[in-house]
Amino acid sequence: EAGVAQSPRYKIIEKRQSVAFWCNPISGHATLYWYQQILGQGPKLLIQFQNNGVVDDSQLPKDRFSAERLKGVDSTLKIQPAKLEDSAVYLCASSFKVPTDTQYFGPGTRLTVL
Amino acid sequence: ILNVEQSPQSLHVQEGDSTNFTCSFPSSNFYALHWYRWETAKSPEALFVMTLNGDEKKKGRISATLNTKEGYSYLYIKGSQPEDSATYLCAFSSNDYKLSFGAGTTVTVRA
Repeated sequence: EAGVAQSPRYKIIEKRQSVAFWCNPISGHATLYWYQQILGQGPKLLIQFQNNGVVDDSQLPKDRFSAERLKGVDSTLKIQPAKLEDSAVYLCASSFKVPTDTQYFGPGTRLTVL
Repeated sequence: ILNVEQSPQSLHVQEGDSTNFTCSFPSSNFYALHWYRWETAKSPEALFVMTLNGDEKKKGRISATLNTKEGYSYLYIKGSQPEDSATYLCAFSSNDYKLSFGAGTTVTVRA
């Protein structure tokens, strides 16, 4: 079974630039999550999708972050414009059906904002 | 956001030695406790999900225990090997099923 795919793996940008990350979950997984992991901290949930609907985006900085999951499959997370404090690893995870199922993670995208 | 603490932040172990570390979490509204292993440049890998007080889980040389009444879980590595080098994350979920992660314990096994 193929795992969660993410791209790019690494990205370096200047502050105020825009960036987008892509995630393809495990086939058949209805729930998709985006996490932000800042160095020295645990992953923090940014947004959770159930199929193509948003379940929780309470910790997403909506003035600069946006995410979509068209057709309930793959997803894109965008930052526009980026700030220095956005430097982090962005992890995508998926679970089969309900949030109680085990979450399977992709390898993450390491973003550096200069 | 729930407070999940892991200690120590990092540890170095000699190959062949055993080690353990702790995850502390809120003891109220407990639903499940997850352990993940995250090797450098790889995806975090699910190790265990524990839901009942007194649960013990084992996978090879790695095992975990759970005390929901006092809010802690231990993860043990027996006979550490270089391939055990990784960051071990615990995550707590309450009745809303959302995961709150600790900052992790980074284990380095020296050959």
